[in-house]
Parts: sequence; structure tokens; C-alpha cells
Amino acid sequence: GAGVSQSPRYKVTKRGQDVALRCDPISGHVSLYWYRQALGQGPEFLTYFNYEAQQDKSGLPNDRFSAERPEGSISTLTIQRTEQRDSAMYRCASSLSSAGNTIYFGEGSWLTVV
Amino acid sequence: AQSVTQPDIHITVSEGASLELRCNYSYGATPYLFWYVQSPGQGLQLLLKYFSGDTLVQGIKGFEAEFKRSQSSFNLRKPSVHWSDAAEYFCAVDASGNTPLVFGKGTRLSVIA
Repeated sequence: GAGVSQSPRYKVTKRGQDVALRCDPISGHVSLYWYRQALGQGPEFLTYFNYEAQQDKSGLPNDRFSAERPEGSISTLTIQRTEQRDSAMYRCASSLSSAGNTIYFGEGSWLTVV
Repeated sequence: AQSVTQPDIHITVSEGASLELRCNYSYGATPYLFWYVQSPGQGLQLLLKYFSGDTLVQGIKGFEAEFKRSQSSFNLRKPSVHWSDAAEYFCAVDASGNTPLVFGKGTRLSVIA
């Protein structure tokens, strides 16, 4: 596609529910990144993939967070048993590769846990 | 661990005035440096980047940034600010060209008439 596409753009969920956020990267981009951005803060790294392989998941806050990219294209970030502190903007980004290429961001998915 | 500091949380400038947003990083080597802008309701847009070579980098929308190794800084500048420049600006660092970006906390720019 022309840009990084994320869905849903807005999600309100009840505490304890599971949530899945989807990212469709720019066509042909090898690397895909997930970031989380709280209000008034900069984006914080969560995890990234090269093709289907998860290269680094050191930024995932705990084991309720997981991500996959099974076919090396679309990725899903899943949050299980959501808590209010999970409320944030979740941003996906992609790049041609992880070797110094420009990273392009999607518009993000706003998650509110009530 | 690498870190990025944007000392100014909020800056207000008059339209037509010059602008400088500060960014300092902590990392021994020369990292890859970026400035992104986030307008209300928009995604993050790349303004400019520095990988190597000329330390003065030109970007979109009339922005430029200068890499100063001795000061570990990568400040963003614009000679004459327009009202449409009001947004949040983020400095970001990639330590080696092969690591995920680390972002600063951002500087919010307000532009007044």
C-alpha cells in the first residue's frame, strides 16, 4: 500500500478484555516496528520484525503483550487481559530494512481501556 | 543505553520568528539522527535525517538541523516559522543504523501571531 495502515484507529475496551491491533506495512518493507506512545510522551519501542522473525521484543512491558507477523507482511499486536495503564496510542512503522533506512509510521491506533 | 533528551517541553514563538529546538543524545559513537513532526490527529512525519557526511542537513518544510559531535547535539532550526508549524517535534536516535529508534519526549511548538 501507499503508507502504513493501522486498524482499528480507535478502540475502547473494558478492563480484562483482549485486544488485537493490526498493522499493514508499506509493500516490500522488510522491517516492521511497534511503538507505544502515552499522552505527552515520545514513542517507546515495543518490538520489531525482519520478515516474519521477531528480532527484538525487549520493549514489551510484560507477558500480556505479544506480537506476530506470520507471513512477513501484516502484523498483529495482541494485549491480553487489558488494564487501564495499557491505554495509549500504539504506532506501527515499517522500513525497507533495519539497516539505517528511514522508518515510516502509520497514524496509530488509540486504545482506551475503561 | 542510548538516550535522547529534548530539554524544552513547550516553546512559543511568533510567526515569522526563527526557531531552534534542542536535542541531545548520549551514545559514544556517531548515531543515526532523525527529527519527526506530529501534527494534531496525524501520524509521525519525517522532517530530516543525518547518517553521515555534511553535518548540516536540510529537510522538508524549510527545516534544517546541524549535527555537532562535540556537543552530542542535533538541533532543529527554521529561519521563519509559519503558523502551520505548530505541532509536536520529536528527535530520535538509532545507535548503530541497525537498532530501533529511541525517541525523546518531544517539544510542543506553539505559534502566535
